[in-house]
Amino acid sequence: DAGITQSPRHKVTETGTPVTLRCHQTENHRYMYWYRQDPGHGLRLIHYSYGVKDTDKGEVSDGYSVSRSKTEDFLLTLESATSSQTSVYFCAIRDFNYEQYFGPGTRLTVT
Amino acid sequence: DQQVKQNSPSLSVQEGRISILNCDYTNSMFDYFLWYKKYPAEGPTFLISISSIKDKNEDGRFTVFLNKSAKHLSLHIVPSQPGDSAVYFCAADMSGGSYIPTFGRGTSLIVHP
Repeated sequence: DAGITQSPRHKVTETGTPVTLRCHQTENHRYMYWYRQDPGHGLRLIHYSYGVKDTDKGEVSDGYSVSRSKTEDFLLTLESATSSQTSVYFCAIRDFNYEQYFGPGTRLTVT
Repeated sequence: DQQVKQNSPSLSVQEGRISILNCDYTNSMFDYFLWYKKYPAEGPTFLISISSIKDKNEDGRFTVFLNKSAKHLSLHIVPSQPGDSAVYFCAADMSGGSYIPTFGRGTSLIVHP
């Protein structure tokens, strides 16, 4: 199994609060991704990174920011959480092959 | 506009029978296709892939077929087992691209004992 972890695994937060989710890999893969999974929408890309300090937006990036200061860590921040951001968040990593390896997910509930 | 479509949100199959999951795409630049399997409360895991230079790839009980002219691929599971019950995502990618695959919305497969 690819070494990829996410923390926290579960979080409940209130509307308007900032939230940071962490993705950590031990594979030294160049590419890292944040997705959200919602019923009827599948996996939607929020942001991705193609190297340290190199990030770009995905299809649902509004309300989210990311940072990657080290190869192994990719942080996703919800600047001011809203109920529409209640979801399951998956981090993924990839090297120069096509296959992605996904983390176990973070279930976020915004009340 | 979805470039990768899985038109069946769910599929129910009897144990021992064949499961066929379908995926259609619209972008002719896609040349590599992958299937991922996802159990509840877990992250997706890579299952099988196929390059556009092939029309079939087999791995044990799992076979993926690619019809480039129809822009269609399918995943066959034979024989289906209750442990195959999961959500299956189709993904499409392109060589020399941006390393951003495009996912379908998934098909939930239930295999009844």
